[in-house]
Amino acid sequence: GDSVTQTEGPVTLSEGTSLTVNCSYETKQYPTLFWYVQYPGEGPQLLFKVPKANEKGSNRGFEATYNKEATSFHLQKASVQESDSAVYYCALSSNYQLIWGSGTKLIIKP
Amino acid sequence: GPKVLQIPSHQIIDMGQMVTLNCDPVSNHLYFYWYKQILGQQMEFLVNFYNGKVMEKSKLFKDQFSVERPDGSYFTLKIQPTALEDSAVYFCASSLWGGYAEQFFGPGTRLTVL
Repeated sequence: GDSVTQTEGPVTLSEGTSLTVNCSYETKQYPTLFWYVQYPGEGPQLLFKVPKANEKGSNRGFEATYNKEATSFHLQKASVQESDSAVYYCALSSNYQLIWGSGTKLIIKP
Repeated sequence: GPKVLQIPSHQIIDMGQMVTLNCDPVSNHLYFYWYKQILGQQMEFLVNFYNGKVMEKSKLFKDQFSVERPDGSYFTLKIQPTALEDSAVYFCASSLWGGYAEQFFGPGTRLTVL
């Protein structure tokens, strides 16, 4: 079946450093890929989605490229801020549902 | 952005009782979903719902679970009877259309079954 695997957390970084959260997926379909962010006490919020292979999505300084050949969709940010502390989820759409990665907790130290 | 509301935020009940979780989806959305997240574990799909019918459900959506949205009011998840393993946070989501549309999530209902 479809699956998503992402970097295990927690990931602790200092403010101003760069971030990469790895995400790889398995599916026999042609998925749309998503990154969601979840803050404590809230539901997941869409960060961005990328429906097409070899295209890039971006929002709030975060970006990810849908790499169909490598079946990857890694999340990157050049310079993280303390407000980026949250849990980040990679997900793919399949049969009208989202298949989720396990989530990566990001902790940013000031 | 669009808001999905969930009521209540917390619910504590005894095993074997019935519970109804309520979701107020985004007003013009047509597709509705429930997801389950056990503390520290992955978010998992339960069911989706469109035009008054369940379209897809996972193996987690046991016979004790049911969903409905009577007359365009709340989209509800009912569990009857509840079991200890039903303790989790339940997230409702809605989307304007199906397929690959982005889903908007509520803040979740934390269900504790004693």
